[in-house]
Amino acid sequence: DIQMTQSPSTLSASVGDRVTITCRASQSIGSWLAWYRQKPGQAPELLIYHASSLKTGVPSRFSGSGSGTEFTLTINSLEPDDFGAYYCQQYSSYSSVYTFGQGTNLHI
Amino acid sequence: EVQVVDSGGGLVKPGESLRLSCTVSGLIFSDAWMSWVRQAPGKGLDWVGRIKSERSGGTIDYAAPVKGRFIISRDDSRNIVYLQMNSLESEDTAIYYCTHVQGYYIGGDFNAGSHDFWGQGTQVTVSS
Repeated sequence: DIQMTQSPSTLSASVGDRVTITCRASQSIGSWLAWYRQKPGQAPELLIYHASSLKTGVPSRFSGSGSGTEFTLTINSLEPDDFGAYYCQQYSSYSSVYTFGQGTNLHI
Repeated sequence: EVQVVDSGGGLVKPGESLRLSCTVSGLIFSDAWMSWVRQAPGKGLDWVGRIKSERSGGTIDYAAPVKGRFIISRDDSRNIVYLQMNSLESEDTAIYYCTHVQGYYIGGDFNAGSHDFWGQGTQVTVSS
C-alpha cells in the first residue's frame, strides 16, 4: 500500500503568518492528493483536491501544489479559525485503497 | 444541499457485530461513490473502505485491518450505505464517518477519491 508521510507533526504559528505543510508519498501518485482541515470535535472538511484545486467555498488563502511524490499545502495570512489538524490523503487510480497522512497539528 | 447522516454506533463487546447506516440526500445517490473513514481516540484519520456506484461497477475495496471482517453495502432505493462490522476488536474503537467520494473531470478524464461531504460521525466502542 502507498504510505503518506506529513511534516511537521506539530506547527506553531501566529495570526498573519504564512505556513507550509508537506506530504510525501511512498510512490508516485500523480496529482491524486487531497488536503483536509479538522477542527476539534468536528468532522474533517475538504480544502484541496487533485493536488491544487480549491474546493468551492474554501478561502483563497489556502493553496496546494506538487505532483508525483511531494506535495505542499500553503496557508497565507493565517486566521484564528485556521487552528486544528490538517491531513493529506492519496487516492491514486493505480491503488485500490486510499491512505491518509498522520496529520499536522497547527497551533495558533 | 448535500447532507450525510451516519448512525448506528454504540458499545459492544469484543467479537460482537454492529451495523452502521448512512443516509444521503441532496444528490443522485445511485451515482455516488461512498466511503467510511474512522478516527480512533486522539489519533488521525484511517480510511476503512469504499463502494463505487453500480454504474462504475459497484467495486468495493477495504483497508487491510478490516478486510474480511467489515462489509460495505448500499441500498440505492433508500439512499443508504451500510457498514457491517463483524468480529469487532478493541482496536476498532473509533468515531466512524460516512463520506461522499467526490468525482470530477480534469482534461476529460474522470477522477474520484477525495471526500467532499462528511457525516457528523458515530461513536463505536468495543470493550468488555
